Amino acid sequence: SAVISQKPSRDICQRGTSLTIQCQVDSQVTMMFWYRQQPGQSLTLIATANQGSEATYESGFVIDKFPISRPNLTFSTLTVSNMSPEDSSIYLCSGATGTGGTTYEQYFGPGTRLTVT
Amino acid sequence: EDQVTQSPEALRLQEGESSSLNCSYTVSGLRGLFWYRQDPGKGPEFLFTLYSAGEEKEKERLKATLTKKESFLHITAPKPEDSATYLCAVQAGRINKFYFGSGTKLNVKP
Repeated sequence: SAVISQKPSRDICQRGTSLTIQCQVDSQVTMMFWYRQQPGQSLTLIATANQGSEATYESGFVIDKFPISRPNLTFSTLTVSNMSPEDSSIYLCSGATGTGGTTYEQYFGPGTRLTVT
Repeated sequence: EDQVTQSPEALRLQEGESSSLNCSYTVSGLRGLFWYRQDPGKGPEFLFTLYSAGEEKEKERLKATLTKKESFLHITAPKPEDSATYLCAVQAGRINKFYFGSGTKLNVKP
């Protein structure tokens, strides 16, 4: 298993500004992911954070809007750039560890609640 | 199209009233099925991993089962503290491809 922390836990930001969310894992994980979750909705994958290389983005998400870094196996950041009210959401970081073979268990951070005014 | 569907969307139970939550999936190359519990304002909490049809896992009042098309999360004699949203996810196909269901919001009344 893995214990994941995120900073900040919440923030209120002005439109047009950027916010960087930090994700720290207590042990090395194979994969790290960033998700977005609207209230009452399920999780939408933004991107897979790759260690030492560019993140892999899902359809509808682009690097210019959501730049991601992963300098090592336990830390990643997600920046929400040039924010608009539509970016208001909960942003979740997860780390995935292998269970043997090709199955990976994901563990989630507590989330960052972002409100853009 | 690969997808995961959970039902019901919401479930209200009296304390002690046992029931089941359903997670049906249509994916190719299942690598694992996962259950999570999510409390309001928090990240999902990992509960179980199931790997193949016929497998069962238990934790306190929860028991997860898996068939080739669906998984059930059985809740026996639930308590109010079991109230939460329960999410199902599958890992399939590409090694880093996970599909999440929309969740079942469980409310257990004392």
